[in-house]
This record gives sequence, structure tokens and C-alpha cells, in this order.
Amino acid sequence: EAGVAQSPRYKIIEKRQSVAFWCNPISGHATLYWYQQILGQGPKLLIQFQNNGVVDDSQLPKDRFSAERLKGVDSTLKIQPAKLEDSAVYLCASSLASGVLGKLFFGSGTQLSVL
Amino acid sequence: DAKTTQPNSMESNEEEPVHLPCNHSTISGTDYIHWYRQLPSQGPEYVIHGLTSNVNNRMASLAIAEDRKSSTLILHRATLRDAAVYYCILRAGGTSYGKLTFGQGTILTVHP
Repeated sequence: EAGVAQSPRYKIIEKRQSVAFWCNPISGHATLYWYQQILGQGPKLLIQFQNNGVVDDSQLPKDRFSAERLKGVDSTLKIQPAKLEDSAVYLCASSLASGVLGKLFFGSGTQLSVL
Repeated sequence: DAKTTQPNSMESNEEEPVHLPCNHSTISGTDYIHWYRQLPSQGPEYVIHGLTSNVNNRMASLAIAEDRKSSTLILHRATLRDAAVYYCILRAGGTSYGKLTFGQGTILTVHP
């Protein structure tokens, strides 16, 4: 079974530039998550989609971050403009079920460095 | 979100059992206890979850205290591949979407 695919694997940009990350979840998984993981910390949920609707974006910095999930499958996360503190690994995850018993399957992440 | 407390780090020897503790004194009756682990340079992976009873699967066992204020993840025979950060997470069962909120986790080092 194919896992969660993310690209690119690494990205280096300068502050104030824009960047986009792409995620392809496991086929049939209705719920998709984007997490931000700063070095030395646990992942922090940025946004959660159920199909193509947002169910939780309470921790998404909406002045610079945006995310969409086209046709309830692939998703993109964008940062515009980037700040130094956005340097982190951005993890995408998907789950078959949206409730408390739904196991999350994570991709390997995109490591972003903002210089 | 109800909070969990885990030791920052633990060490073990290969082929010995490992008991990873987690305190969650403010757990509510509908919170499930989930464990995930994160190997170096990878995303987290699901390990096990439970509500009230002890649980076993091919990866680990989960022992839950009778009052549910603490739990222990048990790796029966640690291998070098078990070296990872282990996260104990309470997931609210009363909501539709079961938000998964990670804490700092426990860094497990396994010695050969």
C-alpha cells in the first residue's frame, strides 16, 4: 500500500519569499492534516480537512499561511511571505476515519529552511 | 486539551523490555490514550491506543491504570530500530474529529 507522499523533501528560501508544499494522501483517506514540527518539539497541527472542507484551522497563521484540498484528494500548503521562524519540517498525514479511532499515517515531511 | 506528562528521555539495552510511562491526571471519561512514535528523519507512526482495558498488538502493549490517570507503553524486547521519540496523546472521544495534539514526548535510546 502506498503511503502519504510529500514533495519537495527539502526547500531553502530567503525570508519574504513564498513557498508551497504538496501532499498526496493514501487513496480513500477522507481526512487530511498538515502539521508543523520545529526542531526539538512535537508536531503542531496547522489545519485539518474532512474531504475538501476545513474542520480545524485554529492554529494556522492565516495572515501568511494558506491551504487547500482540491477535490478532496491532494492538498497544498503555502506560506507567503516566509519568516525566519517558519523554518521547520512540514508533515502531512491522512486517516481513513475522522473520529478518535482514526489512525494517522504520516509522510516523511518537507524540511523548510528560511534564511 | 487534556495534558500528558512524560519523561524527557529514557535508555534501554537491546533485547530488554522497556516501560515508557505517561501521566494524564486530568483525563476525561471519553478521552482515548494514543501512542505514536517518531523515528529519526521520519513522520510519526501509530503504535497503539486504548480506553480502559490493557491492549496488545504486534508492536507493543499498553497498560492503563485502573483510575486511568496514568498509562505505560511496553516494548517487550527492545531493538535498535525502536530508538525513537515516543508520544503519549489524549484524544477526545466526545468530538467528531478527534484532534491529535502532540507534546514533547520521550526520547528512547537503545544500547547494543
